[in-house]
Amino acid sequence: EIVLTQSPGTLSLSPGERATLSCRASQSVSSSYLAWYQQKPGQAPRLLIYGASSRATGIPDRFSGSGSGTDFTLTISRLEPEDFAVYYCQQYGSSPPDTFGPGTKVDIK
Amino acid sequence: EVQLVQSGAEVKKPGESLKISCKGSGYSFINYWIGWVRQMPGKGLEWMGIIYPGDSDTRYSPSFQGQVTISADKSISTAYLQWSSLKASDTAMYYCARSPLIRGYKYGHFDYWGQGTLVTVSS
Repeated sequence: EIVLTQSPGTLSLSPGERATLSCRASQSVSSSYLAWYQQKPGQAPRLLIYGASSRATGIPDRFSGSGSGTDFTLTISRLEPEDFAVYYCQQYGSSPPDTFGPGTKVDIK
Repeated sequence: EVQLVQSGAEVKKPGESLKISCKGSGYSFINYWIGWVRQMPGKGLEWMGIIYPGDSDTRYSPSFQGQVTISADKSISTAYLQWSSLKASDTAMYYCARSPLIRGYKYGHFDYWGQGTLVTVSS
């Protein structure tokens, strides 16, 4: 089973700042089968990025994904007030099971 | 519009059985995988298992194999997650989510999610 580690656990930033979130896998993720989700309190997760770098439908271009192998990054170029949330990565290259990372909380500084 | 609508919150006692549902609409139900994800109170997301309603092919995480059963009724575009004997540790929010086919048949990321079903197990 591939284990995902996300860092940092919490990221405290101000609106307008750049956020860089990391997701590291215990083994190489085949075909860059890695996704990123955003979850706000009381809501279901929302798909942001799939295939490591493809934005999902309706996702603003301030969200971007990059990486391959074992190291992946989600970047939010300029934080908007609605971006403060928890972000999870998921690998689906080696399954079952697909696995999620523990999450990174982006909160307001 | 793609929608996944889950059944309502449940309060059960330990040892009871339960079946929760997830109804898909706005797309061809038999041509996408439907997965289930657990979120325990204040915790992260856990991938439980997934089913392809077109042929009922089902895969489970080893952590959940034997603990739950995933099924689907394609005639009513509905997937199910069931327990035969609930435990207090099953208390959680359960989400269903749709996964598109990748490279022909493989499942992948979840592009649409249900609203979640809160299951509370308490004596």
